[in-house]
Amino acid sequence: GQNIDQPTEMTATEGAIVQINCTYQTSGFNGLFWYQQHAGEAPTFLSYNVLDGLEEKGRFSSFLSRSKGYSYLLLKELQMKDSASYLCAVDGGATNKLIFGTGTLLAVQP
Amino acid sequence: SQTIHQWPATLVQPVGSPLSLECTVEGTSNPNLYWYRQAAGRGLQLLFYSVGIGQISSEVPQNLSASRPQDRQFILSSKKLLLSDSGFYLCAWRETYEQYFGPGTRLTVT
Repeated sequence: GQNIDQPTEMTATEGAIVQINCTYQTSGFNGLFWYQQHAGEAPTFLSYNVLDGLEEKGRFSSFLSRSKGYSYLLLKELQMKDSASYLCAVDGGATNKLIFGTGTLLAVQP
Repeated sequence: SQTIHQWPATLVQPVGSPLSLECTVEGTSNPNLYWYRQAAGRGLQLLFYSVGIGQISSEVPQNLSASRPQDRQFILSSKKLLLSDSGFYLCAWRETYEQYFGPGTRLTVT
């Protein structure tokens, strides 16, 4: 079957670093996506990993280990505006369909 | 640059009424197009996807249907809405390594 797991909620402090983990089990793999979704808004694209390793983009980094079925999103220098849901999604096959996890709700506190 | 439009932004419809949601994409050709639904506090559920004009694949059997009459137009329809159809409907397009979402339509069925 296809399964993507993320923690439901996390809390972190402004200015700190937080790591949001994602594990997946899919029949195929064509890449892993991370999205940010603020309450009441559409998800916005953050990152895409298809090879093992770390991809850095400003304050956000995303890591992938295909052999372990594992990814994480690292957010540095947290700001209040980073409070949002973070969605992990896997492209699991030839039809380019994304399978989404249920998301991690991150609360950044002062 | 590519832009994706959805309308209307919000919609309140009575049970049993018909539905038509439209999505159009600009700045790209022959994109993969997707319809997702997000129920309150839940993850993203893929409803339909299309790889070309007239080509529709359904992921979840239900009272919804989709059509793609033009390359950059994707329509979600229903003949009779159910209470359970309430949710946030998101259109997305995919090109190679990135997938982007439209602003969404919030549907409330009363």
